[in-house]
Amino acid sequence: NAGVTQTPKFQVLKTGQSMTLQCAQDMNHNSMYWYRQDPGMGLRLIYYSASEGTTDKGEVPNGYNVSRLNKREFSLRLESAAPSQTSVYFCASSERRVDNSPLHFGNGTRLTVT
Amino acid sequence: GDSVTQMEGPVTLSEEACLTINCTYTATGYPSLFWYVQYPGEGLQLLLKATKADDKGSNKGFEATYRKETTSFHLEKGSVQVSDSAVYFCALSGGYSTLTFGKGTMLLVSP
Repeated sequence: NAGVTQTPKFQVLKTGQSMTLQCAQDMNHNSMYWYRQDPGMGLRLIYYSASEGTTDKGEVPNGYNVSRLNKREFSLRLESAAPSQTSVYFCASSERRVDNSPLHFGNGTRLTVT
Repeated sequence: GDSVTQMEGPVTLSEEACLTINCTYTATGYPSLFWYVQYPGEGLQLLLKATKADDKGSNKGFEATYRKETTSFHLEKGSVQVSDSAVYFCALSGGYSTLTFGKGTMLLVSP
């Protein structure tokens, strides 16, 4: 039972390069999320998708785009990477309302932008 | 807006010591409250939750009580183990779709 799978695990980019972080869940969950984790800042929500076909901005959406490709997959794209986007990125999913069902997290993607 | 404040770490304890990690929150309405734990190299996982005032969440020997009067949700354990070393996040859900996390508190337990 894989749960939430993120690829890649590690990535180094140069400033201005683009990349897509992939996320897939096999739990038939409706909602999916992208967070970034920075030292001393905790987790901050970038974008989320409450259900297939919908996406909404979170706390820190600037510089990112997302696609809810289908119910299983939710990708995060950096069009022009900046050093400020160096972070650990976590994808998560939940069956329904987050106050009634837990978030399930992937193991993260560590991104460095030089 | 909603916010969560946790005590700063790291918290360093010897095995079998008592643990308290403080968490207070600011939110409109009646949020649900959570503790998540992150072990090294992994994503977060739910440790416990409480959905209304005076509820007590518990799991793996950890407990936290939802105190509306003090807007707090402190995490406690009577006897910690080395395997409890991790980062602990307090979080709240004030609405349908998202959680607001605290900054996390690292716990280091030595034998």
